[in-house]
Amino acid sequence: GESVGLHLPTLSVQEGDNSIINCAYSNSASDYFIWYKQESGKGPQFIIDIRSNMDKRQGQRVTVLLNKTVKHLSLQIAATQPGDSAVYFCAETYITGANSKLTFGKGITLSVRP
Amino acid sequence: NAGVTQTPKFRVLKTGQSMTLLCAQDMNHEYMYWYRQDPGMGLRLIHYSVGEGTTAKGEVPDGYNVSRLKKQNFLLGLESAAPSQTSVYFCASRVGHHTDTQYFGPGTRLTVL
Repeated sequence: GESVGLHLPTLSVQEGDNSIINCAYSNSASDYFIWYKQESGKGPQFIIDIRSNMDKRQGQRVTVLLNKTVKHLSLQIAATQPGDSAVYFCAETYITGANSKLTFGKGITLSVRP
Repeated sequence: NAGVTQTPKFRVLKTGQSMTLLCAQDMNHEYMYWYRQDPGMGLRLIHYSVGEGTTAKGEVPDGYNVSRLKKQNFLLGLESAAPSQTSVYFCASRVGHHTDTQYFGPGTRLTVL
């Protein structure tokens, strides 16, 4: 079946460095993607989203890149801070409207070294 | 504006007991969702609602029931809890059909002994 997955279960980065979190999706019909951040003991928090008609979208310190050719999504975090330590999920959907449902990846842990 | 809230935050049940988890949102969102999160499994959709008085099954609906009597509330019920229902439960809401972004509550950690 269709699935959204992440290449690495954990990522350790030095404070101040840039982080890149990758996600592969298998449904070529997916047209909307979201990145969520989940801190320990909390619910997923929306970070940034992108539609399939875009290749790149920037937010505050974060950039999402979409490569539809290879079905790959990445989240770039600039100048990573200790507060960025969390689990990051990508999610995708290919059904719009009322029955739109998100399919989530299993998550990757970002650990920021001081 | 509290966003999405969930009660209780923690609960321990014995096998066979019943309980109801409450989700409330004050953003006037049309759609609401219940997920469970288990280690290594990611978020899985249990049930969802596209409006007051409507509910639909998600990926893992067995053993759960839901109700959406008021637009702002979405209740998740366990009629006879089983150890397999030990999990963290998250509620989410979404504005409406024109946007896909879902906003999550803080979660309820449920343990069934």
